[in-house]
Amino acid sequence: EVQLVESGGGLVQPGGSLRLSCAASGFTFSSYEMNWVRQAPGKGLEWVSYISSSGSTIYYADSVKGRFTISRDNAKNSLYLQMNSLRAEDTAVYYCARDNRGYCSGGSCYRYFDYWGQGTLVTVSS
Amino acid sequence: IQLTQSPSSLSASVGDRVTITCRASQGISSYLAWYQQKPGKAPKLLIYAASTLQSGVPSRFSGSGSGTDFTLTISSLQPEDFATYYCQQLNSYPRTFGQGTKLEIK
Repeated sequence: EVQLVESGGGLVQPGGSLRLSCAASGFTFSSYEMNWVRQAPGKGLEWVSYISSSGSTIYYADSVKGRFTISRDNAKNSLYLQMNSLRAEDTAVYYCARDNRGYCSGGSCYRYFDYWGQGTLVTVSS
Repeated sequence: IQLTQSPSSLSASVGDRVTITCRASQGISSYLAWYQQKPGKAPKLLIYAASTLQSGVPSRFSGSGSGTDFTLTISSLQPEDFATYYCQQLNSYPRTFGQGTKLEIK
């Protein structure tokens, strides 16, 4: 059974740092690309960051670029999000999500986020 | 790429047929997915590649569209379908989601 379990959330002051982790099990972690997605209280979903299976390709949302760093340790089946210079607007539930490109048709391969963790809440407040 | 869902909220009854629309600000071929989210829970994948039903998802859910206009249809609403629905484009980075459509019981 595929499982993604986030941890590391909590209360942090503006300007502070936090490191989130996502422990993966039930699949070959090193073969899959991964993402972080967040959801502010009462708001919609916001994609945060992507990392390729090897870690060589990384993308960020403009809202976190230069402050957040995504990484992974395939030997530990773990995904991370280092969050620095935190702001009140970073307050959200943070989800890790598996990126699957397993469906190909007509010469195109389609991607989707097929498994999500339960989320970890980050609150930035003084 | 911006995704605009309509309506933002919808009241319907069990057994109703419901359609939610997602419009992309530029063409995204069929690189679109739909998710369902219930309060306090993680999103759940319903449909990918605009019209392919994820394994285990009931057949009353269907998706259609290509380019800039997409729809999610629930053919006969069940009590467990009352939730918030999001579309997502996977054509390019940054990935973006629609603002969500909250489906409520009438």
